[in-house]
Amino acid sequence: QVQLQESGPGLVKPSDTLSLTCGVSGSSIFNGYYWAWIRQPPGKGLEWIGSIYYTGKTFYNPSLKSRVTLSMETSKKKFSLNLTSVTAADTAFYFCARHTTIGVRLDNWGQGTLVTVSS
Amino acid sequence: DIQMTQSPSSLSVSVGDRVTITCQASQDISIHLNWYQQRPGKAPSLLIYDVSTLETGVPSRFSGSGSGAVFTFTISGLQPEDIATYYCQQYDSLPYTFGQGTKLDIK
Repeated sequence: QVQLQESGPGLVKPSDTLSLTCGVSGSSIFNGYYWAWIRQPPGKGLEWIGSIYYTGKTFYNPSLKSRVTLSMETSKKKFSLNLTSVTAADTAFYFCARHTTIGVRLDNWGQGTLVTVSS
Repeated sequence: DIQMTQSPSSLSVSVGDRVTITCQASQDISIHLNWYQQRPGKAPSLLIYDVSTLETGVPSRFSGSGSGAVFTFTISGLQPEDIATYYCQQYDSLPYTFGQGTKLDIK
């Protein structure tokens, strides 16, 4: 059974960097899957942030690209999100997820973690 | 970016109803479309991929159809556990984008 678990601070100050990690169990972190971050402001819709392959290949949503970095620690089966210069608009539930390389179906999700940007 | 527009945004339903949701893309996305269910307080879960293929374990009352720019998601015989918000998602081109969601509530 594939499980993903987000971890990181629930409160971040404006202009600081939001950092989250996703731990993966029950799945190879290698061939066949990308690892993604998606966010959802409370009461609103879903926004894809970016995806990373185990080789380190990344692609990002252009709306966030200047502030986002994804990285991966394959030995620890973890991948991470860094979002710089946060504002209140970045307050959201952040989900990590797995998606296929063909078809891009987000077939396994973490439970999500709420990150609030506030002083 | 490809804009995905769902209609309706919300729907009041009764158990046993046939429910239909439409998702329209701002351009042709072929069959590069998935559907997700998000129950309150939970993460989304994949229901249908590539327009019409049910994810493993998803009940057959769920179905999808369409191609190009207009897609339909149907629940044939709504069950109480189907009360949720449903999202379409395109993966034809980056960035991957979602519809704004269709929220079902009990009439």
